[in-house]
Amino acid sequence: ELKVEQNPLFLSMQEGKNYTIYCNYSTTSDRLYWYRQDPGKSLESLFVLLSNGAVKQEGRLMASLDTKARLSTLHITAAVHDLSATYFCAVDEGNEKLTFGTGTRLTIIP
Amino acid sequence: DAGVIQSPRHEVTEMGQEVTLRCKPISGHNSLFWYRQTMMRGLELLIYFNNNVPIDDSGMPEDRFSAKMPNASFSTLKIQPSEPRDSAVYFCASSNLAGGIYEQFFGPGTRLTVL
Repeated sequence: ELKVEQNPLFLSMQEGKNYTIYCNYSTTSDRLYWYRQDPGKSLESLFVLLSNGAVKQEGRLMASLDTKARLSTLHITAAVHDLSATYFCAVDEGNEKLTFGTGTRLTIIP
Repeated sequence: DAGVIQSPRHEVTEMGQEVTLRCKPISGHNSLFWYRQTMMRGLELLIYFNNNVPIDDSGMPEDRFSAKMPNASFSTLKIQPSEPRDSAVYFCASSNLAGGIYEQFFGPGTRLTVL
């Protein structure tokens, strides 16, 4: 059974600081997805990482994938309040089904 | 592109009543997923369809839950009878295999409260 673990589960950080969210998974896969969920809202796709070494960046967020280590990271640079949300990673095993991590609830403190 | 459409957005019902949640996937998408999200259990996949056929219903919690997809543009998730522990946000998502990518697009969700 595929397991996807994220850490930390909760993260409070000050505006302007950098931090990283980690996503570990238990099976060989070269496709990983990051989603964002604002409170009371739906999940919004952020990044699709399709191969070992893939790196995607959007604004202050950068995601990378190391398939050999079975690890993806979501790096936040110079955090701003608008980034407060819950972030999920998800992995597929070659079928349509995605297995989601537990989510990381990020709170940016002014 | 309207995105995934779900109705109702909010549903409050009493224990024992039947509840039907509805979903319209993105046009052209051939896979549809039903999820449930709670604080305690996080995001759980209940069932998914491919080309209107149920592929994996191992996440459906009990016989009280059933799902159908009569055509490519409509799916329902039914709970009968409903119980307070069914209170959750239910999301529908759709995807299409494009370039080997199974990116799922989520609807706005239905917040279900069973009293």
